[in-house]
Amino acid sequence: NAGVTQTPKFRVLKTGQSMTLLCAQDMNHEYMYWYRQDPGMGLRLIHYSVGEGTTAKGEVPDGYNVSRLKKQNFLLGLESAAPSQTSVYFCASSNRGRGEQFFGPGTRLTVL
Amino acid sequence: GEDVEQSLFLSVREGDSSVINCTYTDSSSTYLYWYKQEPGAGLQLLTYIFSNMDMKQDQRLTVLLNKKDKHLSLRIADTQTGDSAIYFCAETPSSGGSYIPTFGRGTSLIVHP
Repeated sequence: NAGVTQTPKFRVLKTGQSMTLLCAQDMNHEYMYWYRQDPGMGLRLIHYSVGEGTTAKGEVPDGYNVSRLKKQNFLLGLESAAPSQTSVYFCASSNRGRGEQFFGPGTRLTVL
Repeated sequence: GEDVEQSLFLSVREGDSSVINCTYTDSSSTYLYWYKQEPGAGLQLLTYIFSNMDMKQDQRLTVLLNKKDKHLSLRIADTQTGDSAIYFCAETPSSGGSYIPTFGRGTSLIVHP
């Protein structure tokens, strides 16, 4: 099993450009999450999904959109990137019950 | 809302024990977790404890839970340089049907020779 994979690993954008980050999991998990990690701020939840076709806002959703068209994939979109979105982005998945999360390796995004 | 607090840094000498502390506010927490993040990687679950337990031991790791004070600790015995990482405390509520965990900001453990 590959677990949770993220594409791409690194990306540099100019202000105003758009991009999509892809997260895939092969564990048949119901829940998927997108976090951003900034120095000293820990993990902040951007959006999450509790099942195929559903999404919900987390702590810091502004400037991001998500889609969960297939159970195994969770996409994070930036429509018009801003320097404040420079961060490391982590995807995670989990099942109900014990709820332990499995994390991807992260995407390092720089917006100039 | 729920809150999870941790100290930001801990420095220990190799071979000593490390104790990382965490406090949380949600009294309905079901599971409490410790995750480890090594440089350049995602978080990985280290251990967890169910809210009806007081202690859990797993090799060099000991988790202590004080439900009255809402305090969770992670003790690493015989700390090694490979234990240098960021350790995150997290809790999952049991009320409202939500399984969305709340994370602390992470404690950077620095192990020096």
